[in-house]
Amino acid sequence: QVQLQESGPGLVKPSQTLSLTCTVSGDSISSGNSSWSWIRQPAVKGLEWIGRFYTTGSTDTDYNPSLKSRVTMSLDTSTNRFSLSLSSVTDADTAVYYCARAPLGTFIDSWGQGTLVTVSS
Amino acid sequence: DIQMTQSPSTLSASVGERVTITCRASQSIRRWLAWYQQKPGKAPKVLISSASILESGVPSRFSGSGSGTEFTLTISSLQPDDFATYYCQQYNTYSPVTFGQGTKLEIK
Repeated sequence: QVQLQESGPGLVKPSQTLSLTCTVSGDSISSGNSSWSWIRQPAVKGLEWIGRFYTTGSTDTDYNPSLKSRVTMSLDTSTNRFSLSLSSVTDADTAVYYCARAPLGTFIDSWGQGTLVTVSS
Repeated sequence: DIQMTQSPSTLSASVGERVTITCRASQSIRRWLAWYQQKPGKAPKVLISSASILESGVPSRFSGSGSGTEFTLTISSLQPDDFATYYCQQYNTYSPVTFGQGTKLEIK
């Protein structure tokens, strides 16, 4: 059974870069069978998809167009982890951040527990 | 991008009632739609995939229907455990993932 766990600082200053890591167990992020996403949820608001990557031969990424200019996702196959960097953060980036898995071409079937990141000076 | 519009945003209902939540896509997504249930402080849990396939372990009082641009989630007889927030999500392979804005189901 796949498990995902987010980790990273819970507090980031405005204008700095938010960095989170997702550690995956029970599946390989390089298997090519799934896409791996970051999703966030501001307090009492809905879910916002940030981006995903998938490895089918090469590694491809999709980003939410509204965040694309500030987002970078990367992966470390040696440790089976993937990461999110979000630059130039503001208060609006305060949210619970989830990492998640979706078997290729399908819905999200596994989520991390989520980690709260607060942007504040 | 494909926009997903859910309605209503809030729904008040009583135990035993039948309720329906609607999700509309800005363009056809065929049947590439999932419904999730989220409770406070928890990650979402998938209920239905491919518009109408009930996922393993999900009670049969949940059902989904639709294709193209219009979809519904129906709970046939509300139970106390069903009061939560529900999201639709399209997963068309060639488009960024998008979620509906959510429907909060409250006890009347």
